[in-house]
Amino acid sequence: NAGVTQTPKFQVLKTGQSMTLQCAQDMNHNSMYWYRQDPGMGLRLIYYSASEGTTDKGEVPNGYNVSRLNKREFSLRLESAAPSQTSVYFCASRLQETQYFGPGTRLLVL
Amino acid sequence: QKEVEQNSGPLSVPEGAIASLNCTYSDRGSQSFFWYRQYSGKSPELIMSIYSNGDKEDGRFTAQLNKASQYVSLLIRDSQPSDSATYLCAVRGWGKLQFGAGTQVVVTP
Repeated sequence: NAGVTQTPKFQVLKTGQSMTLQCAQDMNHNSMYWYRQDPGMGLRLIYYSASEGTTDKGEVPNGYNVSRLNKREFSLRLESAAPSQTSVYFCASRLQETQYFGPGTRLLVL
Repeated sequence: QKEVEQNSGPLSVPEGAIASLNCTYSDRGSQSFFWYRQYSGKSPELIMSIYSNGDKEDGRFTAQLNKASQYVSLLIRDSQPSDSATYLCAVRGWGKLQFGAGTQVVVTP
């Protein structure tokens, strides 16, 4: 039981490049989330998916897209990376009131 | 004004002492309150949840909630070096979970 896994762990992009952050959970949870964490800002919700086939915007969705591929997988795509998207990205899944976080992806956009 | 406010710290606590962390929130309709612990370079993990006014104890941790004052706190008794981490307060309003920026705790031997 791996919980929530994320790939890659670390990525460097140039401005304008695109990439997809992958997330998978093996706990059979319906709800999944993408957050970014910046110093002094706490965790901010980018997008979430309440169930397979549904996605909704969170607090900071601009510049991102998501896909809930199936119940296990929820990916985050940056179509044209900007330096402001330099951050640590966490994926999470939820059971009742508990959110379980993946190990995070550190993204640096130059 | 941020919806969930915490003192960023660092809060320096001698080993064996009590660490007291505070959190205020702006949404009076909030119903659920959580404390997450995050070690440096790691992901957050849930350590406490509280839903009604009063105290809730779990081992060395006590969460306190006062909805009238829109205030939730976390006490860590007999602090250990392994408690050195950032503690995130999270508050759920109508479907939304909002996180504070976290308080860094440093337990000194």
